[in-house]
Amino acid sequence: QQQVKQSPQSLIVQKGGISIINCAYENTAFDYFPWYQQFPGKGPALLIAIRPDVSEKKEGRFTISFNKSAKQFSLHIMDSQPGDSATYFCAARRAQKLVFGQGTRLTINP
Amino acid sequence: EAQVTQNPRYLITVTGKKLTVTCSQNMNHEYMSWYRQDPGLGLRQIYYSMNVEATDKGDVPEGYKVSRKEKRNFPLILESPSPNQTSLYFCASSPAGGISGELFFGEGSRLTVL
Repeated sequence: QQQVKQSPQSLIVQKGGISIINCAYENTAFDYFPWYQQFPGKGPALLIAIRPDVSEKKEGRFTISFNKSAKQFSLHIMDSQPGDSATYFCAARRAQKLVFGQGTRLTINP
Repeated sequence: EAQVTQNPRYLITVTGKKLTVTCSQNMNHEYMSWYRQDPGLGLRQIYYSMNVEATDKGDVPEGYKVSRKEKRNFPLILESPSPNQTSLYFCASSPAGGISGELFFGEGSRLTVL
């Protein structure tokens, strides 16, 4: 049973646009919400993360927005670039387990 | 260079032929874990280990075994592989005795079971 639901499965954005990926969860025991970025042929790598006591975290062009009451969080990529084309996974931590969403394949058209 | 190394990177095998995927990390991390990645399902945890001789099941452990005899190594064993174990496998490690923050992933092992 998937405990973190991610959408959309795929996303195409023009260069310079804003990419938005959404995730929702049910288990209120989750206490840490990272996003991972994966390029073809590589393992995922941590991109940015947030804790539930914060509503927003920004690192460069990447922002996580967190809505605790709605149990939703999202990744925003501003000024999207072709180099951002990758698969993105949201995740949520409970105890010693990291539960991942289904992944979003993002393509930035030049 | 700090890294998680998996071998083999690619493997085609037949049903029932035992195989082992090795994983080694050089960062002195206590926590290690195995995931499988399947289209539309994301990454699902198979097993994890908090430290040497301490392993526990993840969400999809059926058909897999692991061992943690040394801190740096965490092999994944498929005693009798079946076609539904065809997948992309990732080993990962994390410092400080648990997933306190970042997971460091290997580059993956693509397994095909015929």
